[in-house]
Formats: sequence, C-alpha cells, structure tokens
Amino acid sequence: EPEVTQTPSHQVTQMGQEVILRCVPISNHLYFYWYRQILGQKVEFLVSFYNNEISEKSEIFDDQFSVERPDGSNFTLKIRSTKLEDSAMYFCASSPGTSNYGYTFGSGTRLTVV
Amino acid sequence: AQSVTQLGSHVSVSEGALVLLRCNYSSSVPPYLFWYVQYPNQGLQLLLKYTSAATLVKGINGFEAEFKKSETSFHLTKPSAHMSDAAEYFCAVKNGNEKLTFGTGTRLTIIP
Repeated sequence: EPEVTQTPSHQVTQMGQEVILRCVPISNHLYFYWYRQILGQKVEFLVSFYNNEISEKSEIFDDQFSVERPDGSNFTLKIRSTKLEDSAMYFCASSPGTSNYGYTFGSGTRLTVV
Repeated sequence: AQSVTQLGSHVSVSEGALVLLRCNYSSSVPPYLFWYVQYPNQGLQLLLKYTSAATLVKGINGFEAEFKKSETSFHLTKPSAHMSDAAEYFCAVKNGNEKLTFGTGTRLTIIP
C-alpha cells in the first residue's frame, strides 16, 4: 500500500536554528498538508498546499514557517528560527482530492528544540 | 465552522468487552467524518470514514461507527476488545473542501 514517508523520524535542534522536515507524499496525490501535535495535545492543522502554492494556513503558521515542493516528489516544512514551543510531532499528509477523501499521514518527525 | 468533541480523554475496557468511543460533531453542512488511530510512536492511520453513503460504516480491525444526524454523533465501537487495540483514537471532521479538523483524542487502555 502506498505510504507517505517522513524524514528524519527524530530531530534535536538548538533554539534559534533552522530545521527542514522532509516528506515524500503518495505519488499520484495532489494535495499536501502539515499538521503538528504537541505532546499530549490535539493534532493541529498548519498548512495545506496545492498546485505549488499554499491554499490555507493556520494562525500557527507564521512568518517563521515555510513550505516548498522543490521537485516532483518532496514536500518540505522549514522552520527558520526554532523556539522551545516548536517542540512537537510534525505530520505530513497527502490526499488525491478534496471533498470526501481522507488524508494519508506519514509516521511523523519528532522535533525537540533545546 | 466545523468541530468535533470527543467525550472522555481516557477509556479503559477489559479484554473481550465492548469498546465505545464517543464523538459528536458540529457542522453547518453535511459533514464527512473520520476515525484515525495512533499507535505508540507511530503516525495516524485511517480506521474508517463516513461520506454520506451508508450510515453504518465498517473499518479495519473490526471497528465500526454509526452516523446519527439527529444526535450529531459518530461513535466508534468494537464488540470485543483486544490487547492490540490499545492506542489513541482521533475523530475528525471535514466539510467539503475544508481541511480535516481533529478532536482532542481518546486514549484506549485494554485491561487484561
């Protein structure tokens, strides 16, 4: 069964450093998403991406965040200057369409900012 | 606006007993509803989804959920719990082209 692949599985970074979280969505999917889950809390939407541009973003997704699809397969989330509160599990997801399609999620990247 | 409320952040059941995880939704239009499961240190796996066809939806691992419009509910059930069902379960809602919105999750513990 097709999978969404995320790398790395764990990342530890110092406060103020830049991090890039990488995702390979399912190949024939057109819509891409990033969500995050702070330990013990709910899964929160960050951003959706379609046709090489952001289609929606949440209040969390401020100027320190950016997304990119640099080639035909990768989808990345960059955090420019990490803060302690950015420590969370970050999930990438993709779907073939909108409407009644569910999303296929990756296994997540656990980001720890120290 | 769309939202889901999951009643009970923690549920414990004995092995072999009925599992019932509650989810109520709020939506201005007919919603699409989903249940996802998250095993320890893993990602989110789709269990089942309601997309306005049959109101009783069967998913993987013996789980099912029933859409009840009059109660605005989409509770998840399994007749007989297994130790391997221990996980976090998330209800989620989607209106048309809007993003998927998750509930706060219910941690299911199975007592041997």
